Amino acid sequence: GQNIDQPTEMTATEGAIVQINCTYQTSGFNGLFWYQQHAGEAPTFLSYNVLDGLEEKGRFSSFLSRSKGYSYLLLKELQMKDSASYLCAVLDSNYQLIWGAGTKLIIKP
Amino acid sequence: DVKVTQSSRYLVKRTGEKVFLECVQDMDHENMFWYRQDPGLGLRLIYFSYDVKMKEKGDIPEGYSVSREKKERFSLILESASTNQTSMYLCASTISSEAYNEQFFGPGTRLTVL
Repeated sequence: GQNIDQPTEMTATEGAIVQINCTYQTSGFNGLFWYQQHAGEAPTFLSYNVLDGLEEKGRFSSFLSRSKGYSYLLLKELQMKDSASYLCAVLDSNYQLIWGAGTKLIIKP
Repeated sequence: DVKVTQSSRYLVKRTGEKVFLECVQDMDHENMFWYRQDPGLGLRLIYFSYDVKMKEKGDIPEGYSVSREKKERFSLILESASTNQTSMYLCASTISSEAYNEQFFGPGTRLTVL
């Protein structure tokens, strides 16, 4: 079966750095997405990786290793507004998105 | 500004009622999706559509049907609502299913079935 694993919850301090991991086992791979979802709101797109390596976008970076079936989202200089759930999703061989359950990130002052 | 709207943010229905959830996008996207989101589970795909009048079953289509009569509108129908269909329902759209395809989501409808 297809599976996406990510931690259920993480806590970090304002101003710090946090890394949210995602491992996947899917039938085929056509890219990996990270979405942010604030409580009670819709998910919004953060990043897309299809090649190995690091993609940086401001305070957020996303890394992919296809051989290891592994990705992480790195958030720097954490702000209170970064408190949200972070969803990892993989586009499989049929171009369908397989979603992880999400990681709830709690930022403390 | 891209926009996906859903007909209701909150909905309370009784067991056995027929429920309509509507989704409208203004981006001229061809592909539209209905998901449900439950605590501890990832987004689960109910149905999707690649074109007007076309529909495909997702992972959990049982108890649901859909309608896409116009490109911008994708409706989810619960023929006879049951308590296990209490959930957050999210609609999304994308330009293409084969390329890099950021999904744009609506605000969600939180449905409670009593």
